Amino acid sequence: SAVISQKPSRDICQRGTSLTIQCQVDSQVTMMFWYRQQPGQSLTLIATANQGSEATYESGFVIDKFPISRPNLTFSTLTVSNMSPEDSSIYLCSVGLETQYFGPGTRLLVL
Amino acid sequence: QKEVEQDPGPLSVPEGAIVSLNCTYSNSAFQYFMWYRQYSRKGPELLMYTYSSGNKEDGRFTAQVDKSSKYISLFIRDSQPSDSATYLCAMGLYSSASKIIFGSGTRLSIRP
Repeated sequence: SAVISQKPSRDICQRGTSLTIQCQVDSQVTMMFWYRQQPGQSLTLIATANQGSEATYESGFVIDKFPISRPNLTFSTLTVSNMSPEDSSIYLCSVGLETQYFGPGTRLLVL
Repeated sequence: QKEVEQDPGPLSVPEGAIVSLNCTYSNSAFQYFMWYRQYSRKGPELLMYTYSSGNKEDGRFTAQVDKSSKYISLFIRDSQPSDSATYLCAMGLYSSASKIIFGSGTRLSIRP
């Protein structure tokens, strides 16, 4: 399985600001995924990021709010824009097709 | 109705007990099934993966799938305090455009 790292591991932000989360994989992968995990809730897929193309967003998530970059086959970023307290969550990146392997997550608290 | 239902717990059992964790699902098209373990402040870790009805065993863990009842289970034998974590079921379709659907997770605590 791939080894995945995320930065930052946690952050506390003020409403109205933006935070960019980085995801690094130790091997080249075609597809990377970004999830949100709110307290007591299941993982929700935000978007799928393929290298060289626009990210594909799930219903309820839009590019203006969650812009994603995928500059190469081992790296991706997710930006949470114009944050509100409702964006407080754990953000996870993952790789894999049938099975997903996850990074350690970024814990975000918006005040 | 959610596609995947999982009792959130918390579930607390004594060390050495057999633990049973369960999920039900509504979409009969799901073809493969997984269990993830998530320790506090960590990402989910894949525990078990199966794509057919029946049992799959790996050490102290057994995954059971009953497609006719749309019901999956994870059994943990000889439970240890180190098994204390949140367990998430997940399931998916064999499709390049498919996504995995996760249960909300069951929080398990093993008492020494």
